[in-house]
Amino acid sequence: QVQLQESGPGLVRPSETLSLTCSVSGDSISGYYWSWIRQSPGKELEWVGFVHHRGSTKSNPSLKGRASISLDTSKNLLSLKLTSVTAADTAVYFCTRSDTYEDAFNIWGPGTSVTVSS
Amino acid sequence: DIRMTQSPSSVAASVGDRVTITCRSSRNIDNWLAWYQQKPGRAPSLLIYLPAGPQPGVPSRFNVSGSGRNFALTISSLQPADFATYYCQQATDFPPTFGRGTQVA
Repeated sequence: QVQLQESGPGLVRPSETLSLTCSVSGDSISGYYWSWIRQSPGKELEWVGFVHHRGSTKSNPSLKGRASISLDTSKNLLSLKLTSVTAADTAVYFCTRSDTYEDAFNIWGPGTSVTVSS
Repeated sequence: DIRMTQSPSSVAASVGDRVTITCRSSRNIDNWLAWYQQKPGRAPSLLIYLPAGPQPGVPSRFNVSGSGRNFALTISSLQPADFATYYCQQATDFPPTFGRGTQVA
């Protein structure tokens, strides 16, 4: 049974870079689409971006190029870097898996909470 | 971006009630729609993706309908485990977008 587990710093200073990882166990990271989705304190869900093991990646235009998503297939690890963070980036961040590009997010990690504050 | 509008934002219901949640997209999405359930402190969980049907283990009391721009999720007889927040999500247009959720309390 595939399981996802996010990890991150919890607290990030404004203007710094947020770095999160998601460890994938129980299955290979290859062959799937891996996305980051975040949930604001107001409970709204926002798709951050995805990466596929063949290298394609896209992020939400709302993030204005600040998000970078990558895979380390040797470690079965998914990563997110979000630069120049502000308080608006405070959220719970989830990593998810989809079978295809136009697919639902059928597996989710438990999420990791990130607060942006000085 | 396609805007997903859910209503109501919350509904007060009792065990045994029939509950219907609607989701309207700002553009035609055919049937590229997913419904998620989220319980407090947990990640959302995929209930039903219309092109593929319900996820394994989803009770038959959860039913979906609609296509194009208008969709509904109906719980035919609410059970204690169904008190949660439900989200719709369109999967056909970039970027994927979610409704703001409906809390069933």
